[in-house]
Amino acid sequence: GENVEQHPSTLSVQEGDSAVIKCTYSDSASNYFPWYKQELGKRPQLIIDIRSNVGEKKDQRIAVTLNKTAKHFSLHITETQPEDSAVYFCAASPPSGTYKYIFGTGTRLKVLA
Amino acid sequence: EAQVTQNPRYLITVTGKKLTVTCSQNMNHEYMSWYRQDPGLGLRQIYYSMNVEVTDKGDVPEGYKVSRKEKRNFPLILESPSPNQTSLYFCASSLGGLSGNTIYFGEGSWLTVV
Repeated sequence: GENVEQHPSTLSVQEGDSAVIKCTYSDSASNYFPWYKQELGKRPQLIIDIRSNVGEKKDQRIAVTLNKTAKHFSLHITETQPEDSAVYFCAASPPSGTYKYIFGTGTRLKVLA
Repeated sequence: EAQVTQNPRYLITVTGKKLTVTCSQNMNHEYMSWYRQDPGLGLRQIYYSMNVEVTDKGDVPEGYKVSRKEKRNFPLILESPSPNQTSLYFCASSLGGLSGNTIYFGEGSWLTVV
């Protein structure tokens, strides 16, 4: 089955700097890769996603890149702000469906003012 | 307002005392699932349901039961809770089983088993 590894587990950056979180997956059939953000004490919420037919996707200060050959994908946050501090989860989903989502172990991002 | 509602939000119980965590969604979603979140382990799927009366095990189903008698409800049952089931639990729903559907999470239920 699918296995998703996420690194780093914690990441501290200065406000205004960029942050990069990386995930690798094992199932080459996986074709959908969402990223969820979980603020302290709250539920995870989707922030951006990418499908396997696209190499990069941007939404304002966040972007996700996908390298299908290497089976890894990354979340990039530019011009970080204190409100970006949260736990970020990557996930991979095979064509067989949403119910097969496998989540990474999470990255705790701290943006230092 | 579209939402996934789970109750209770916080619960402390004793070993062996059966408990149920309810989950309800108002989005007419076919797919529902339960996850537990533990430090360093991320979100792990307990059980999922693709539709009414259709359920299947996730990655960590031991010690849990579920039922899906109605489309909107997906309760999680701990028949005989043990301390290793102390965790943060999330119910989630999605429009369907196709890859690419956003998962909507409930607010979470903090469960402590002593």
